[in-house]
Amino acid sequence: AQSVTQLGSHVSVSEGALVLLRCNYSSSVPPYLFWYVQYPNQGLQLLLKYTTGATLVKGINGFEAEFKKSETSFHLTKPSAHMSDAAEYFCAVSEVYGNKLVFGAGTILRVKS
Amino acid sequence: DTEVTQTPKHLVMGMTNKKSLKCEQHMGHRAMYWYKQKAKKPPELMFVYSYEKLSINESVPSRFSPECPNSSLLNLHLHALQPEDSALYLCASSLGQGSSGNTIYFGEGSWLTVV
Repeated sequence: AQSVTQLGSHVSVSEGALVLLRCNYSSSVPPYLFWYVQYPNQGLQLLLKYTTGATLVKGINGFEAEFKKSETSFHLTKPSAHMSDAAEYFCAVSEVYGNKLVFGAGTILRVKS
Repeated sequence: DTEVTQTPKHLVMGMTNKKSLKCEQHMGHRAMYWYKQKAKKPPELMFVYSYEKLSINESVPSRFSPECPNSSLLNLHLHALQPEDSALYLCASSLGQGSSGNTIYFGEGSWLTVV
């Protein structure tokens, strides 16, 4: 069975600082991995996804993530945080031939001015 | 245009009411989903429709009844709900049958309060 662990339910960074949100997954087959962002009182928006190929994936709003199979990780980074990045971020995994998207518990990112 | 539209945005209903949540997409997607999200929790899958047929029901109580009238529309009929069913209900769609590699696009959600 697949699962996702997001380390840190809350992360706080200063504006302009590096953002690092951690995600580790468990999957019995090569996974497809996703990061979604949810702003307050809104739905989920896809930031980026890894399917196959290049392990460093670039997404919207300056975010990127690196798939590391040996570490079963898919951490999300952004070089310089902006106030508008404050939101909740969900890492998710799906099986290659499955219908289910399994989410991690989420990480709330706070950006301090 | 990657848009999933949900109505209503907010719904308050009594435990004896019957109401419906509606979802629409015009991206040509053939898979549609209902997720439930409680406060401070991740979304949980409820139902998946693939080519207008129910393919996954995650053991959801029968007081929730999904319906897919055509490839663009997805409804969730609600009857005799409990206060603990209050949550954000998210509709989503993707290109193909599986979520494997296909991006799942989410709507803004319908906030449901059961009183």
